[in-house]
Amino acid sequence: EVQLVESGGGLAQPGGSLRLSCAASGFTFSGYWMHWVRQAPGKGLVWVSLIYHDGSATDYADSVKGRFTISRDNAKNTLYLQMNSLRAEDTAVYYCARDAGGEWGDYWGQGTLVTVSS
Amino acid sequence: DVVMTQSPLSLPVTLGQPASISCRSSQSLVSSDGNTYLHWFQQRPGQSPRRLIYKVSNRDSGVPDRFSGSGSGTDFTLKISRVEAEDVGVYYCMQGSHWPPYTFGQGTKLEIK
Repeated sequence: EVQLVESGGGLAQPGGSLRLSCAASGFTFSGYWMHWVRQAPGKGLVWVSLIYHDGSATDYADSVKGRFTISRDNAKNTLYLQMNSLRAEDTAVYYCARDAGGEWGDYWGQGTLVTVSS
Repeated sequence: DVVMTQSPLSLPVTLGQPASISCRSSQSLVSSDGNTYLHWFQQRPGQSPRRLIYKVSNRDSGVPDRFSGSGSGTDFTLKISRVEAEDVGVYYCMQGSHWPPYTFGQGTKLEIK
């Protein structure tokens, strides 16, 4: 059974940092691109970042470029999102999602809540 | 960036009646490889999104056949033939043809009248 389990969310101060993790199981993690998507409270879904299956390329939404870094450890079947210089507007539930070769989003995690507040 | 516009944003439906959600893109979603990467997601209250339809009209495994997707170019539709109580939630279209960024519609909230 495919599972994606996010962790690492919590309360951070403006300007602070957090690292999110997404533990994958039930499939060959190293064969899939992976994404982070976020959802601010009461709002819609917003794509955040992408990483290729081998980590050779990444992409980011303009709103997080230069502040967030996506990475992966295929030996540990884990996806990461390092979030620096956090702002109040980064407050959201962060989901990881699998990309099955353009058939985007066939599996999602349960999400982890990030709250940025002083 | 490709802008995805859904309508309506709120959709009250009587149980057993059909429902339809429109999704329009600001440019054609035909990709350079000839595929159209337009997907539909359902998000039930308090849950993660779940994909219903991929590449316009392909229903995901386990998705009831009352859900169907259609469209081409810039105009796409998600239809529910007979709404059931478990269909309550927010529905999003999303394009993966022209990225980055991948972009979602604003969401359509389906409720039971």
